[in-house]
Amino acid sequence: DAGVTQSPTHLIKTRGQQVTLRCSPKSGHDTVSWYQQALGQGPQFIFQYYEEEERQRGNFPDRFSGHQFPNYSSELNVNALLLGDSALYLCASRAGVFNYNEQFFGPGTRLTVL
Amino acid sequence: ELKVEQNPLFLSMQEGKNYTIYCNYSTTSDRLYWYRQDPGKSLESLFVLLSNGAVKQEGRLMASLDTKARLSTLHITAAVHDLSATYFCAVDDFGNEKLTFGTGTRLTIIP
Repeated sequence: DAGVTQSPTHLIKTRGQQVTLRCSPKSGHDTVSWYQQALGQGPQFIFQYYEEEERQRGNFPDRFSGHQFPNYSSELNVNALLLGDSALYLCASRAGVFNYNEQFFGPGTRLTVL
Repeated sequence: ELKVEQNPLFLSMQEGKNYTIYCNYSTTSDRLYWYRQDPGKSLESLFVLLSNGAVKQEGRLMASLDTKARLSTLHITAAVHDLSATYFCAVDDFGNEKLTFGTGTRLTIIP
């Protein structure tokens, strides 16, 4: 079992650019959530995808968007990058919704915006 | 809005000593998680606490949950250098389908 995988590991972009991060959930999981962790902070929930739909969203602007594919993998897109978007982006997967199934986190993608 | 607070934020302790990290939260949830994070790394799950009075132990770490007080503790016994890391608690608020994390406690064990 490969667990949750994310790509790329590191990414450097400049202000105003757009970025796409990718996540493959743990085998058997169909729900993917994305979190942003700024340096020295706890992770903050961005949004969650289930059945290819966004189900829940945290306090993030529309510049942050996502997608889930039929194979349950997911993408996080950020447009018009700002310096403040520099962070570790974590993907987490779980089985189903409306339950307390544990989430498993991926290794993260470190995004640096210059 | 659910709030999760940890204290202390920073903790330096000598090897061999005992200490406790506290996690207070503002909801009635009975599901709480503890994670460890090493610098630049992802989150490693330590404990899942599923009900009031739950207590779990793994090595030198022990976690407990008091849902009535909305308080969880992570107790460190006879600390060793390998425990140096940042520790987060997170609350799973049923119906919100997301984890809300505490601010984290950066633990440094001094030889």
